[in-house]
Amino acid sequence: RKEVEQDPGPFNVPEGATVAFNCTYSNSASQSFFWYRQDCRKEPKLLMSVYSSGNEDGRFTAQLNRASQYISLLIRDSKLSDSATYLCVVGGGSSASKIIFGSGTRLSIRP
Amino acid sequence: GAVVSQHPSWVICKSGTSVKIECRSLDFQATTMFWYRQFPKQSLMLMATSNEGSKATYEQGVEKDKFLINHASLTLSTLTVTSAHPEDSSFYICSAGRDSAIQYFGAGTRLSVL
Repeated sequence: RKEVEQDPGPFNVPEGATVAFNCTYSNSASQSFFWYRQDCRKEPKLLMSVYSSGNEDGRFTAQLNRASQYISLLIRDSKLSDSATYLCVVGGGSSASKIIFGSGTRLSIRP
Repeated sequence: GAVVSQHPSWVICKSGTSVKIECRSLDFQATTMFWYRQFPKQSLMLMATSNEGSKATYEQGVEKDKFLINHASLTLSTLTVTSAHPEDSSFYICSAGRDSAIQYFGAGTRLSVL
């Protein structure tokens, strides 16, 4: 079993749609959780950290369920510019802790 | 936000040559940096953890004699791909964290070995 598993994708949705990504992780000792975005042939960039209380940043909402070891990302009112690969990332509690990437979910927004 | 600089961004080399990639934290000190490799349509795979002043920690299956890592200062880690072969062609990315678990990534180095 992979340490971090994501929806296989790809997702192809119309502009304005709401799309949800799911992710599960196997290490119950994990302490930090993130969603990163990666554009084609570019480095990953932090989209948002994920907390048990849930957090929202504009059109993006992330949720963490520690009991189920499950992370989600919701994108509302999707834009063409949201087209990218979304990476679920799980790690330890410090800058010295290695992080584990999910395989990524590719999202394509069509006009 | 924190900035991590990676150089070069793109390199083409002949089979058998060595290639050095630099990763610098520009506005913070990083005792730990990470090196990843990404093949087309795959996710990032951690290769090794670079520790300032000590030996790097390699992930299972990564040859330490082929991928030499040096972390001589708090702002610089280098990855040298020794005797590169076409199968080493990939996208190599480094990352560093400042004061939390958030990792900041370099722009990556695209290596093509002919």
